[in-house]
Amino acid sequence: EPEVTQTPSHQVTQMGQEVILRCVPISNHLYFYWYRQILGQKVEFLVSFYNNEISEKSEIFDDQFSVERPDGSNFTLKIRSTKLEDSAMYFCASSARPDNEQFFGPGTRLTVL
Amino acid sequence: AQSVSQHNHHVILSEAASLELGCNYSYGGTVNLFWYVQYPGQHLQLLLKYFSGDPLVKGIKGFEAEFIKSKFSFNLRKPSVQWSDTAEYFCAVTRINDYKLSFGAGTTVTVRA
Repeated sequence: EPEVTQTPSHQVTQMGQEVILRCVPISNHLYFYWYRQILGQKVEFLVSFYNNEISEKSEIFDDQFSVERPDGSNFTLKIRSTKLEDSAMYFCASSARPDNEQFFGPGTRLTVL
Repeated sequence: AQSVSQHNHHVILSEAASLELGCNYSYGGTVNLFWYVQYPGQHLQLLLKYFSGDPLVKGIKGFEAEFIKSKFSFNLRKPSVQWSDTAEYFCAVTRINDYKLSFGAGTTVTVRA
């Protein structure tokens, strides 16, 4: 069964450093998403992406964040200068259509020290 | 603020007990409703979804949920839980032309053998 994969599973970084979180969506999906979950809080939407551009972004997704689909398979989330409050679990998701089920990856746990 | 509310933070049950998890949303208009489950160490998986039609929907692993439009609710039920149902359960909502998932805070379900 096809699945969304994410790497790394755990990333530890120093405050101010850049991180890139990687996702490989399901191959025939066209809509891609990033969500995050700070420990003890709700899963929150960050950004949606379709046709090589951002469809929607939340207030959390400020200038420090960017997304890219550098090739036909990867979908990345970059945080330019990490802050302590960026520590969270980051989930990638994909769907075949915007109104279809979103399939989630296992998440990357980002720890900013 | 518009939101998704899950009534219980942590539910502890014995095997064979019945489970009901509450979910209410505050969005007006047409919504799509989802229950996701996250087993320990695994990624978010879809249990069931409601888009339209019969308000009683059946999902995987014996779960069902009922959409009651007048109550803005989508409660999850299982008549007889198993130890393997120990997991975190998330209710989520999307709206027409706004396909980002808005999640509830999640309910941790612990089933004692």
